[in-house]
Amino acid sequence: DADVTQTPRNRITKTGKRIMLECSQTKGHDRMYWYRQDPGLGLRLIYYSFDVKDINKGEISDGYSVSRQAQAKFSLSLESAIPNQTALYFCATSVDGQETQYFGPGTRLLVL
Amino acid sequence: EDQVTQSPEALRLQEGESSSLNCSYTVSGLRGLFWYRQDPGKGPEFLFTLYSAGEEKEKERLKATLTKKESFLHITAPKPEDSATYLCAVGEGGTYKYIFGTGTRLKVLA
Repeated sequence: DADVTQTPRNRITKTGKRIMLECSQTKGHDRMYWYRQDPGLGLRLIYYSFDVKDINKGEISDGYSVSRQAQAKFSLSLESAIPNQTALYFCATSVDGQETQYFGPGTRLLVL
Repeated sequence: EDQVTQSPEALRLQEGESSSLNCSYTVSGLRGLFWYRQDPGKGPEFLFTLYSAGEEKEKERLKATLTKKESFLHITAPKPEDSATYLCAVGEGGTYKYIFGTGTRLKVLA
């Protein structure tokens, strides 16, 4: 079984709809991250969380919110989706004190 | 401004034809330089972390090196299964921020 899972893997939604992307991990890592990947751009950090009570904005947090429901679960919400949020979204985890990040398989989101 | 630039954007090699991928960076204090491999439809997979100039890491046909301004990923005698996008990222000193490059798409032909 995969250590970092994301649901759904693909999602099509309409402008203005609220959607949630979910990430779960069985690695026991404290730190979790949400990134988006766009063609021609590097991965960009949306939000990160170092534990359940610690959530921080990344470089492109506008239009997004997150919830850390448990050590193993980190959800990303788009309150009112817009077409330029069409992208590939990745969740990642890491261990406190180590730099290596472990990525999930991604969610491909299309906002019409 | 902190940034990471990878070159070339795309590279086609014949099986067995060795080459190098480049990652040049500008960052305020390097907390680490990371190489990842990304296959189509999948998340990035960790390859190497380098922390200081002169450091080298090897894994099978891959070897990563680091200087004060750039890193190279050397691919020796590549095979078709090495085809993927290779991503470079740097950790910015004093922050928890990682800056990713746009990647090099490698295609190895049999």
